[in-house]
Amino acid sequence: DTEVTQTPKHLVMGMTNKKSLKCEQHMGHRAMYWYKQKAKKPPELMFVYSYEKLSINESVPSRFSPECPNSSLLNLHLHALQPEDSALYLCASSQTYRDEAFFGQGTRLTVV
Amino acid sequence: AQSVTQPDIHITVSEGASLELRCNYSYGATPYLFWYVQSPGQGLQLLLKYFSGDTLVQGIKGFEAEFKRSQSSFNLRKPSVHWSDAAEYFCAVGFMEYGNKLVFGAGTILRVKS
Repeated sequence: DTEVTQTPKHLVMGMTNKKSLKCEQHMGHRAMYWYKQKAKKPPELMFVYSYEKLSINESVPSRFSPECPNSSLLNLHLHALQPEDSALYLCASSQTYRDEAFFGQGTRLTVV
Repeated sequence: AQSVTQPDIHITVSEGASLELRCNYSYGATPYLFWYVQSPGQGLQLLLKYFSGDTLVQGIKGFEAEFKRSQSSFNLRKPSVHWSDAAEYFCAVGFMEYGNKLVFGAGTILRVKS
């Protein structure tokens, strides 16, 4: 089973809302990632968690707040987003940070 | 700086024809190399990877890729394309010393005509 599950699949939120994206994997992977993909662009790394500790933050604005409550779960808390934050948010995981990453189906976020 | 170049934005091939998608990278050492495929609005599926060893790697769905160090290339090939292969293909380079940071190329959209 190489499944990474993301919820919700679609999310529409206002600029004053607070929402969270969730990602779950049960493959025993110890590294998890958030990527952002704008329309017609490649994915761009946002955050890397390795053994539940944040190891990479690609200078992401503080309105995006990641959280890794345990080795199977990864959240992305959203607050005061801008319309330009509308994108496909992809979660991925890998056995360790030195292994290939498996991606979820993504959450399509629209900020209005 | 590390970079990945996919020179072809769109490629159209006939069903049953062979396919080659090009990928070049810029990096000081040998990186980890990947090809992913993405259908519209979907996540990315790993087709194959190269870490070390045999420079010709086999992947899923009949795809293969060849690492050529001298050309800094990792081109994806398939001998006979099926209509279901129509999708966007991303080449990616992984810099593992930075915690599996993947840098993606711009992508190549494959269209298959019957």
